[in-house]
Amino acid sequence: DIVMTQSPDSLAVSLGERATINCKSSQSVLYSSNNKIYLAWYQHKPGQPPKLLIYWASTRQSGVPDRFSGSGSGTDFTLTISSLQAEDVAVYYCQQYYSTPFTFGQGTKLEIK
Amino acid sequence: EVQLVESGGGLVQPGGSLRLSCAASGFTFSSYDMHWVRQATGKGLEWVSVIGNAGDTYYSGSVKGRFTISRENAKNSLYLQMNSLRAEDTAVYYCAGSKNYMDVWGKGTTVTVSS
Repeated sequence: DIVMTQSPDSLAVSLGERATINCKSSQSVLYSSNNKIYLAWYQHKPGQPPKLLIYWASTRQSGVPDRFSGSGSGTDFTLTISSLQAEDVAVYYCQQYYSTPFTFGQGTKLEIK
Repeated sequence: EVQLVESGGGLVQPGGSLRLSCAASGFTFSSYDMHWVRQATGKGLEWVSVIGNAGDTYYSGSVKGRFTISRENAKNSLYLQMNSLRAEDTAVYYCAGSKNYMDVWGKGTTVTVSS
């Protein structure tokens, strides 16, 4: 199974400042035949379903504000929120969809400082 | 409107069974892979199972042999038959649709396994 490890477990950032969440996979999630990275990021708020933010490691889902961006390659990935807004308080998860079981990271809780 | 609506959750005793359903609308259900993902209280998201649009199935190690995923494309419906339930299966269960990444999610149904 591919193990996804996020850091940090929790993060407090001031409004308007940058938030950075890291995700590491235990093996590559790059599919060489199509050169696509099978890595997604989700935002999860209490009482709501998870919301897809980023797929293919760096493609923003339609309707997601451009302050959210994803980057990375190989086994190391980053979700960046360029200017934190109050509505961004949530738990963020990375997930690989390269192979079953489609594992999630343990989550990073983002709060306002 | 794209929508997934789960049902069938509830309270069940350890060792019991429960069948979850997920009704889809607003998209071409038959062309999507469909998943179950769960979240126990205070824990993170855990992928449970997937059924491909061709009917192939896969399970997490924690539920393999106890849970069965199925779909009925004519009814735009997804199911999860859960047998031999344990306290650690207590969670909110979400159904989700994907062609690769999961971009359609339901609001979830709660399963509580307790005596």
